[in-house]
Amino acid sequence: AQSVTQPDIHITVSEGASLELRCNYSYGATPYLFWYVQSPGQGLQLLLKYFSGDTLVQGIKGFEAEFKRSQSSFNLRKPSVHWSDAAEYFCAVGPASGNTPLVFGKGTRLSVIA
Amino acid sequence: EAGVAQSPRYKIIEKRQSVAFWCNPISGHATLYWYQQILGQGPKLLIQFQNNGVVDDSQLPKDRFSAERLKGVDSTLKIQPAKLEDSAVYLCASRPSINGAYEQYFGPGTRLTVT
Repeated sequence: AQSVTQPDIHITVSEGASLELRCNYSYGATPYLFWYVQSPGQGLQLLLKYFSGDTLVQGIKGFEAEFKRSQSSFNLRKPSVHWSDAAEYFCAVGPASGNTPLVFGKGTRLSVIA
Repeated sequence: EAGVAQSPRYKIIEKRQSVAFWCNPISGHATLYWYQQILGQGPKLLIQFQNNGVVDDSQLPKDRFSAERLKGVDSTLKIQPAKLEDSAVYLCASRPSINGAYEQYFGPGTRLTVT
């Protein structure tokens, strides 16, 4: 069965500190992976995606993620967190094309303290 | 380029009442999705349209939920009658085509509270 696990429900980091949000997936075919961010009262915004090639992908707002096939992971990282990064982060897995729906994790809520 | 539009942004109704949500996808996007996002969870697909046809409605509670996309552009999701457990954010998303890149673009959502 297809599934996404985000082990951390809530993470608090200090502004300027580094960040890593974990994502593990289970998918029958070659996975295409996504990270979305959701600010309070907003829809989901795509941060980055991995389809193929270089396993380290760069996204918007200074985020990056690394695909590790052997660990079935796609962790999101940022070297220095800003207060505006406080939001909910969702990892998702899906197919390259076709109509199989994306499967989302339950999300990790990020709080940033001064 | 305008994003995905949804209305209303917020709605409060009593159980057993009906409610409708509207979505206008990005111009030219053939594929449209409705998701339900319950507090503390990720979005769950309710229904997927390709143009004006339904591709996947396997997770839509058809006894109370209905959706249409008559002209292949905007879409309406209806709940009748609503239950307390329908309290959630309803997200609409669109994608250029079912055979293209998989990026989905999300609207701001409609937050429904059923009392």
